[in-house]
Amino acid sequence: GAGVSQSPSNKVTEKGKDVELRCDPISGHTALYWYRQRLGQGLEFLIYFQGNSAPDKSGLPSDRFSAERTGESVSTLTIQRTQQEDSAVYLCASSLAPGQSYEQYFGPGTRLTVT
Amino acid sequence: GNSVTQMEGPVTLSEEAFLTINCTYTATGYPSLFWYVQYPGEGLQLLLKATKADDKGSNKGFEATYRKETTSFHLEKGSVQVSDSAVYFCALIYGNEKLTFGTGTRLTIIP
Repeated sequence: GAGVSQSPSNKVTEKGKDVELRCDPISGHTALYWYRQRLGQGLEFLIYFQGNSAPDKSGLPSDRFSAERTGESVSTLTIQRTQQEDSAVYLCASSLAPGQSYEQYFGPGTRLTVT
Repeated sequence: GNSVTQMEGPVTLSEEAFLTINCTYTATGYPSLFWYVQYPGEGLQLLLKATKADDKGSNKGFEATYRKETTSFHLEKGSVQVSDSAVYFCALIYGNEKLTFGTGTRLTIIP
């Protein structure tokens, strides 16, 4: 079946503008995760959803970042008033359920460049 | 908190050479351990995993053994190919939590 998809694949925006990144998880996957990969660094956890609720938002770097999930499906990550340090690849992953028994499947990512 | 430390890259090897990429971890409890691979232009994909001590994960000729006594999960392959060129990430997950990743190791195989 279809894997995790993300859009857009690339986004260039000016500093100070808002951006929305979208993730479509694998159908039936109740857990959804957002990670960020900055150049030359590992992946940082941002937030995860179990269904439509977010039990762990501990990785969101500031209040400019928010995320929501509707219908236990699509999720959007919104970054307000973007800064240059927000430039990164934003990765979404989904799994059947949260926890270490379940493999996370990753999307191709959205490359965000803030100029 | 949980953390993963992996071998700094980049690593360049000749085809058919032996590969080791070191990975050590710090975690509360007994995590599951993973190696993910990111091929050029592609998304992150699971290469192999191990869920308990002394388990060996293997896939595509790669192996890694979960060593609780040394808190390590080193990735090995006996004979690398050009197609193995990629970035490799060691990661762990414990309980109902997110994956914690190492910084990644870029591997280049020269024909």
